[in-house]
Amino acid sequence: SQTIHQWPATLVQPVGSPLSLECTVEGTSNPNLYWYRQAAGRGLQLLFYSVGIGQISSEVPQNLSASRPQDRQFILSSKKLLLSDSGFYLCAWSLQGQEQYFGPGTRLTVT
Amino acid sequence: SQKIEQNSEALNIQEGKTATLTCNYTNYSPAYLQWYRQDPGRGPVFLLLIRENEKEKRKERLKVTFDTTLKQSLFHITASQPADSATYLCALPPNTGFQKLVFGTGTRLLVSP
Repeated sequence: SQTIHQWPATLVQPVGSPLSLECTVEGTSNPNLYWYRQAAGRGLQLLFYSVGIGQISSEVPQNLSASRPQDRQFILSSKKLLLSDSGFYLCAWSLQGQEQYFGPGTRLTVT
Repeated sequence: SQKIEQNSEALNIQEGKTATLTCNYTNYSPAYLQWYRQDPGRGPVFLLLIRENEKEKRKERLKVTFDTTLKQSLFHITASQPADSATYLCALPPNTGFQKLVFGTGTRLLVSP
């Protein structure tokens, strides 16, 4: 069966520090991968998605970036965090045209 | 502009009653629509997918309808239980393709014993 892992579960970082969140998927090949952010009490905002290795589509202009170095690995990064980057970050995978499966999420607090 | 609207106010119902949640969309032409459940501090969990040629779909106590004329989907939970308390999100593909989903902001359901 398929599983999706995200780490860390929680993170507290100062403003201006770098960020790296990692997501890995097991049990499937060539999935579509997604990064979402959910601010407190708000909806899901799609940040990036990828349909293959090295293929990244950015949905929202910001100081974040994403990379997909391997088929089942998706990384979200920032060189300098802003206060507004605080939120709940979710990674998800799907096969095209199908439902999405979400990871457990990372709670990021920028102080 | 394109919008997906779900009632932002929480829906409070008593155990055993049927909960009905609404998802309205504007300026989308989705081939399908999906419903997810999200518990606090967790990622959304997929519940049901309904296609544009399906009027209704059922799974255990869940029922979803899809009216492409009204541009609306209704999500029903029959014989609701306190364990059904959660936020329910609808999602649909944008007009540009099926590689991603656009999510509504969700409706919080509270089922009291």
